[in-house]
Amino acid sequence: AQSVTQPDIHITVSEGASLELRCNYSYGATPYLFWYVQSPGQGLQLLLKYFSGDTLVQGIKGFEAEFKRSQSSFNLRKPSVHWSDAAEYFCAASNYGGSQGNLIFGKGTKLSVKP
Amino acid sequence: KAGVTQTPRYLIKTRGQQVTLSCSPISGHRSVSWYQQTPGQGLQFLFEYFSETQRNKGNFPGRFSGRQFSNSRSEMNVSTLELGDSALYLCASSARVSSGDTQYFGPGTRLTVL
Repeated sequence: AQSVTQPDIHITVSEGASLELRCNYSYGATPYLFWYVQSPGQGLQLLLKYFSGDTLVQGIKGFEAEFKRSQSSFNLRKPSVHWSDAAEYFCAASNYGGSQGNLIFGKGTKLSVKP
Repeated sequence: KAGVTQTPRYLIKTRGQQVTLSCSPISGHRSVSWYQQTPGQGLQFLFEYFSETQRNKGNFPGRFSGRQFSNSRSEMNVSTLELGDSALYLCASSARVSSGDTQYFGPGTRLTVL
């Protein structure tokens, strides 16, 4: 079955430190891949997406993600975390060429930022 | 351009009642999808509509239904509410129905079933 796994439920980093959030997918073929962020009481905001081409994708708020086919991974990174980055982050995937609505989400990683 | 709006934002119901949630997509978007978010199950796909037709459905019981109107606004209905239906219900819109299109999410409706 298709799935998206985020191994880390909760991560705490110090402000100014670098960040990497892990995401692994299990699909028959390379899916479209997304990272969303959700602040408390809010909906989801798209950070970045990967469809094809360059495996390093730049997103908003200084985030980037690297697609690694050999590892079935799409990890999110940020070189220097700000206190405002504290939120929950979701990795998601959808079938290439399929219906767009059926996003499959990981369980999310909650990010806490220490001052 | 205004984002996706969902009404109401908060709702409290009792078991056995039914509820209708509304979603207005971004202007010009024709695809609307619904998701349920709970602490235990995470984000789960409910259904997707495009041009008033249901294109895709997740693994939810028939108590969950939806529809889309000619102006692309969508409603979802949950009948005979159960305690386990307490969740954040998120609506997302996109311009088209293809898997390459970005979905934009609304703030959600928080449903509490007592």
